[in-house]
Amino acid sequence: QQQVKQSPQSLIVQKGGISIINCAYENTAFDYFPWYQQFPGKGPALLIAIRPDVSEKKEGRFTISFNKSAKQFSLHIMDSQPGDSATYFCAASAKYGGSQGNLIFGKGTKLSVKP
Amino acid sequence: NAGVTQTPKFRVLKTGQSMTLLCAQDMNHEYMYWYRQDPGMGLRLIHYSVGEGTTAKGEVPDGYNVSRLKKQNFLLGLESAAPSQTSVYFCASSYLWDETQYFGPGTRLLVL
Repeated sequence: QQQVKQSPQSLIVQKGGISIINCAYENTAFDYFPWYQQFPGKGPALLIAIRPDVSEKKEGRFTISFNKSAKQFSLHIMDSQPGDSATYFCAASAKYGGSQGNLIFGKGTKLSVKP
Repeated sequence: NAGVTQTPKFRVLKTGQSMTLLCAQDMNHEYMYWYRQDPGMGLRLIHYSVGEGTTAKGEVPDGYNVSRLKKQNFLLGLESAAPSQTSVYFCASSYLWDETQYFGPGTRLLVL
């Protein structure tokens, strides 16, 4: 119930292509869905986040699509660049309903963008 | 403004030894967290704190203790280290539960 399932585990994309990472959840109480980006040897950093009152949020080349009925959300990276090569984590939390506001992370997707 | 800092950066322990990891934040955040990151497992919450003097268990609290005597500091203790505690430990802080969590650079711990 508390899990967030992330796929794929790894992804190779050509420069200029679109990277898509998907996450699914079961707990309908989740109401905050952030994506974190982590470069090797560094701590994760917030990339973009969405709440369930909107179906899409865009910041530059990064877009979150959210499907409340399917309990799925995804990260799209347009015009992927080698500098986007990193590990991406989706997460979810709910103020009420089990997770006590704490983030539940997916297991991560290692993205490699080839020049 | 240093953000979130962690001490030490790297440590090697023998089984049964104890140690304390220190996390400090200068953003006046109420919430602080300790995570561990293992290959293929994502980030798992060990303990967290919603304010000075408070602590609570996360997903994987066994073998760890924490203290938050000052608002800016969150300490993670291992009383008797085990090889299963070999991991990278991250501290994070946030102003509210659904606000951005800011992560430190991590502590790499090897238990032999």
